[in-house]
Amino acid sequence: QQQVKQSPQSLIVQKGGISIINCAYENTAFDYFPWYQQFPGKGPALLIAIRPDVSEKKEGRFTISFNKSAKQFSLHIMDSQPGDSATYFCAATFGNEKLTFGTGTRLTIIP
Amino acid sequence: GAGVSQSPSNKVTEKGKDVELRCDPISGHTALYWYRQSLGQGLEFLIYFQGNSAPDKSGLPSDRFSAERTGGSVSTLTIQRTQQEDSAVYLCASSRWDRGDYGYTFGSGTRLTVV
Repeated sequence: QQQVKQSPQSLIVQKGGISIINCAYENTAFDYFPWYQQFPGKGPALLIAIRPDVSEKKEGRFTISFNKSAKQFSLHIMDSQPGDSATYFCAATFGNEKLTFGTGTRLTIIP
Repeated sequence: GAGVSQSPSNKVTEKGKDVELRCDPISGHTALYWYRQSLGQGLEFLIYFQGNSAPDKSGLPSDRFSAERTGGSVSTLTIQRTQQEDSAVYLCASSRWDRGDYGYTFGSGTRLTVV
């Protein structure tokens, strides 16, 4: 019940296109859903996060869509750029519990 | 400090030796986490320190692994009798969950290679 399932494992998107990464969870107690971006040789960095009281949160080209009834949330990267090429992790938690991370998506943006 | 600092950034050790990895969290962050990331893989939880509470050690893979956090700040992850399968990047993170800030700030990690 603590798992967060992430897909796809890898994704190739044309420059300027929309990148979409999906995550699903089982634990209905989860109330905080962040996305992390990791470049090679670096630790993951918090990109954007959402709480279940809203269905969408947008920060620049990055948007989280949240579907509470389906227990799914996704990251959309609009106008994808080569600099967005990285590994993305979704995560979830509640209260003071540690984050449960998805397995990661390696995103490659091709010119 | 401005970020989470980990040292050393790289460590090569011989099989069977003990190693200590250090993490300096962001000042004032009450929670500290250790994760392990094997090449091209996801984030494997190891241990979690939260204020003065007993640490959550549920992710430690064997009794060769231990960690402590002194004075609610600096943490040391110790691996005894290292094995080749211990080779990975060890990541430390901290957060201020007690202030409603659940986001982790990660360090750049220590790349451990056991030869």
